[in-house]
Amino acid sequence: DAGITQSPRYKITETGRQVTLMCHQTWSHSYMFWYRQDLGHGLRLIYYSAAADITDKGEVPDGYVVSRSKTENFPLTLESATRSQTSVYFCASSKPLATNEQFFGPGTRLTVL
Amino acid sequence: AQSVTQPDIHITVSEGASLELRCNYSYGATPYLFWYVQSPGQGLQLLLKYFSGDTLVQGIKGFEAEFKRSQSSFNLRKPSVHWSDAAEYFCAVSVYGGSQGNLIFGKGTKLSVKP
Repeated sequence: DAGITQSPRYKITETGRQVTLMCHQTWSHSYMFWYRQDLGHGLRLIYYSAAADITDKGEVPDGYVVSRSKTENFPLTLESATRSQTSVYFCASSKPLATNEQFFGPGTRLTVL
Repeated sequence: AQSVTQPDIHITVSEGASLELRCNYSYGATPYLFWYVQSPGQGLQLLLKYFSGDTLVQGIKGFEAEFKRSQSSFNLRKPSVHWSDAAEYFCAVSVYGGSQGNLIFGKGTKLSVKP
């Protein structure tokens, strides 16, 4: 089905482990985004990508790495997970104009023990 | 820096009553404004957006919002709330000419609906 999917939907990991969250969209949108959602903070942008092989930092990039070798995929990696990275992570995509809405995936709930 | 303020963290209304959720933004020029809704355990869905023209915009699910430049506000309204409207609502601003990364969200307002 067309849309934006995230995997896994739930993940429990331990401090210091590497974790990769996957995001896949079928619309061929050029822009993709990663947000984290925490109580009291709303959604905060981690990284975004304007096209394949073009990525840029958002508001809270520390501790995260992204790549975008294909337009449809935008994985987010926590190289050494910390408890403060326990959060719900949302991926989004959009066409390349600021007036265009962002389409959100269902989210990944990550717990770091 | 641009910012979005949603003054109400949690609002409870009775089913059938009217609703207004407040949103104020801080930006020197005309921003692009959005309202998103998040149902429990779900991602965000766009309700409506404003970027030019008529300052009263209509959205999905019977929602509307009014852009008031003088008050730097973009309040969301619905004349009669349904139980299915219980969710969290986020106001967001995008900057004209800015990169697509510049979508700034408010912290959200959680809406509860009493039967």
